[in-house]
Amino acid sequence: QVQLVESGGGVVQPGRSLRLSCAASGFTFSNYVMHWVRQAPGKGLEWVALISYDGSNKYYADSVKGRFTISRDNSKNMLYLQMNSLRPEDTALYYCARDPDKYGSYNWFDSWGQGTLVTVSP
Amino acid sequence: ETVMTQSPATLSVSPGERATLSCRASQTVSSDLAWYQQKPGQAPRLLIYGASTRATGIPARFSGGGSGTDFSLTISSLQSEDFAVYYCQQYNNWPLTFGGGTKVEIK
Repeated sequence: QVQLVESGGGVVQPGRSLRLSCAASGFTFSNYVMHWVRQAPGKGLEWVALISYDGSNKYYADSVKGRFTISRDNSKNMLYLQMNSLRPEDTALYYCARDPDKYGSYNWFDSWGQGTLVTVSP
Repeated sequence: ETVMTQSPATLSVSPGERATLSCRASQTVSSDLAWYQQKPGQAPRLLIYGASTRATGIPARFSGGGSGTDFSLTISSLQSEDFAVYYCQQYNNWPLTFGGGTKVEIK
């Protein structure tokens, strides 16, 4: 079955960087668009970024554009989110999520990891 | 961006009763709408996509409807495991956006 396991979260000071990882298994990772979605503590869901199945196309929410970079390594079945210039408002649980469409993107999410918590605090 | 507004924020329902949740988009999203269920400490789970198509394994008591700007999620007879927060999400316009959620609690 599809399994997504995030890691790399932690406590970081404002302005610093962090890299999140998502290990995928149970499906052919290289065929699927992948997303990052975040959830601030006690709040709703916010889409963060998308990467195409081959890594050639990437899209970002305005709130992270220019600071965050999504990438993937299909040989390792890994998804990444490089987060630079972190701000307190980036504090959230970060989920990786799979798009259900092979090679394209439906832009909804049929499988989710359990999330990794990022806390940005002085 | 397309703002998604869910109502009510909290819905108190007795087990076995029907629950209807609403989601309104600030501009048309056609039928490009999904619903998710989230329980405390868990990741969201896909319930509905295409406004009305149940995802794999989702019980028939969950049904979605609507198009354009007004959508609904109905749970025909609430079971104990259905008490959770429900989110709608549009995928017709960029950026992808979610509603603020409706919490379905036990009355």
